[in-house]
Amino acid sequence: NAGVTQTPKFQVLKTGQSMTLQCAQDMNHNSMYWYRQDPGMGLRLIYYSASEGTTDKGEVPNGYNVSRLNKREFSLRLESAAPSQTSVYFCASLDRVVGEKLFFGSGTQLSVL
Amino acid sequence: QQQVKQSPQSLIVQKGGIPIINCAYENTAFDYFPWYQQFPGKGPALLIAIRPDVSEKKEGRFTISFNKSAKQFSLHIMDSQPGDSATYFCAMTGGFKTIFGAGTRLFVKA
Repeated sequence: NAGVTQTPKFQVLKTGQSMTLQCAQDMNHNSMYWYRQDPGMGLRLIYYSASEGTTDKGEVPNGYNVSRLNKREFSLRLESAAPSQTSVYFCASLDRVVGEKLFFGSGTQLSVL
Repeated sequence: QQQVKQSPQSLIVQKGGIPIINCAYENTAFDYFPWYQQFPGKGPALLIAIRPDVSEKKEGRFTISFNKSAKQFSLHIMDSQPGDSATYFCAMTGGFKTIFGAGTRLFVKA
């Protein structure tokens, strides 16, 4: 089992460019999440999807959009990238059968110049 | 503003020592308090978790202590090893949301 797969692993953008981060999980989890990780700030929730067909804002949603394409896939889009969006982005899915365990992907390191 | 305040930011201990990481929260709507461990270049992974009706939980060398009235919880690592060197995040989960603390970078000297 692959678990949670994120693409790409690394990306460099110029200010104003757009891009989509892709995420897929093969664990049949209903809920999926996007976090960003910055030094000294921990992991901050950008958006989440409690179930297929629903999406909700997290702590830091400004400048981002999401799409829950189907149960497996949850994408994050930056419409007009800004240097403040330089970060490591993590996708996760939630297992509510065994506690409330988040499974994370390996991350996307994004630099906006 | 972090909804869960974690301290210290970094910690260095000798092998065999007992590092302690503390977290404090305000919002009582959350009902599940996990700790995640992250190694460089990897995503975080669940280490241990507790619900607020329990004051302590042990799994191997890792112990969570939970003080509901003080709204505080902590992670203790017994007999710490160099392989425990990682970043540790406390978190709180309620409904479908998990909110993380800022993280503690632990280094265990051999």
